[in-house]
Amino acid sequence: AQSVTQPDIHITVSEGASLELRCNYSYGATPYLFWYVQSPGQGLQLLLKYFSGDTLVQGIKGFEAEFKRSQSSFNLRKPSVHWSDAAEYFCAVGNQAGTALIFGKGTTLSVSS
Amino acid sequence: EAGVAQSPRYKIIEKRQSVAFWCNPISGHATLYWYQQILGQGPKLLIQFQNNGVVDDSQLPKDRFSAERLKGVDSTLKIQPAKLEDSAVYLCASSPQATSGNTIYFGEGSWLTVV
Repeated sequence: AQSVTQPDIHITVSEGASLELRCNYSYGATPYLFWYVQSPGQGLQLLLKYFSGDTLVQGIKGFEAEFKRSQSSFNLRKPSVHWSDAAEYFCAVGNQAGTALIFGKGTTLSVSS
Repeated sequence: EAGVAQSPRYKIIEKRQSVAFWCNPISGHATLYWYQQILGQGPKLLIQFQNNGVVDDSQLPKDRFSAERLKGVDSTLKIQPAKLEDSAVYLCASSPQATSGNTIYFGEGSWLTVV
């Protein structure tokens, strides 16, 4: 079955510290991978996406993610977290045919001062 | 460029009542999605349109949910009769085409509380 797992429900990071959010997927076809962020009361905003090529992708707001096929993972990273990064983060998987994305349950990020 | 517009933003109804949500996608976007996001969970696809045709409605509870996209632009999602478990955020999204490489843009959502 196709699925996305985000093992961490809630993470707290100190401002200025580094961040890594985990994402594992199970997908029969070649996956297209996405990270979205959702601030309270807002819709989802795309941070970055991976289709092919370089397995390290850069996104907006200083985020990056690395695709590891052997581990079926697409972890999101940021070297220095800002208080404004506090939000919910969703990993999603799609395919070349453009069928709708399958989302994980999300990870809530809190930033402490 | 205007984003995906949704209304109403918030709605509270009693169980067994009906409700309708409206979505106006980004101009020129052929593909439109309705997702349901229950608190604490990720969005789940309800229905996907390509122009005014349905591509995927396999997860739409058709006994109570219906959706249409007349003229391939605006869309309406209706729930009748509502149940308590329908309390969720209903997200509309659009993309230029349902093909690889196209970013899906989300609206801010319509928050439904069924009491």
